[in-house]
Amino acid sequence: DGGITQSPKYLFRKEGQNVTLSCEQNLNHDAMYWYRQDPGQGLRLIYYSQIVNDFQKGDIAEGYSVSREKKESFPLTVTSAQKNPTAFYLCASSPSVEVWNTEAFFGQGTRLTVV
Amino acid sequence: AQSVSQHNHHVILSEAASLELGCNYSYGGTVNLFWYVQYPGQHLQLLLKYFSGDPLVKGIKGFEAEFIKSKFSFNLRKPSVQWSDTAEYFCAAFYNQGGKLIFGQGTELSVKP
Repeated sequence: DGGITQSPKYLFRKEGQNVTLSCEQNLNHDAMYWYRQDPGQGLRLIYYSQIVNDFQKGDIAEGYSVSREKKESFPLTVTSAQKNPTAFYLCASSPSVEVWNTEAFFGQGTRLTVV
Repeated sequence: AQSVSQHNHHVILSEAASLELGCNYSYGGTVNLFWYVQYPGQHLQLLLKYFSGDPLVKGIKGFEAEFIKSKFSFNLRKPSVQWSDTAEYFCAAFYNQGGKLIFGQGTELSVKP
């Protein structure tokens, strides 16, 4: 079945440690996104990528890093510089950035807890 | 800055009441507009989308939305809600200029049986 897989579903880390969240898609989509979901704040865009080997900062990129070495993979690293990393992280992809084809499909999310 | 704003954070309705959730987006050139729903414990699902053409779009489960360009709005409506519509609803805009998909803050809808 085609879809977006985020792993793990729950992740615990000690403060000061970097952690990488996985996002893989087998939909052959060009564009991929990372969002952070906090109660009352909706989904805030962290990073996005329109094509392999290219990515742009979203609205809250500080303390995060990404890579897009393969079309199907867009891992997110939460670094120790992120002041409030405990959150629910959602990965999404869309077929392309052409205006007619930008519907996003979402993974199940990763809940990160930093203690 | 490109942004999406949802007016209501939490809406409480009784079954059979009519629903309208507000959504405004900032100007940023060509935009595609979406409404997504997140049922408790589930991932986001697309309710409906607007790319061009008829500004009144119909989605799944009896939802519809109207694109009003002059008001930069894309409000979601349903004539008669059901208890099963209890969920969080997100408005989103894809800005062709820059390729960003921006979401609003979300509106939590609680429907009382």
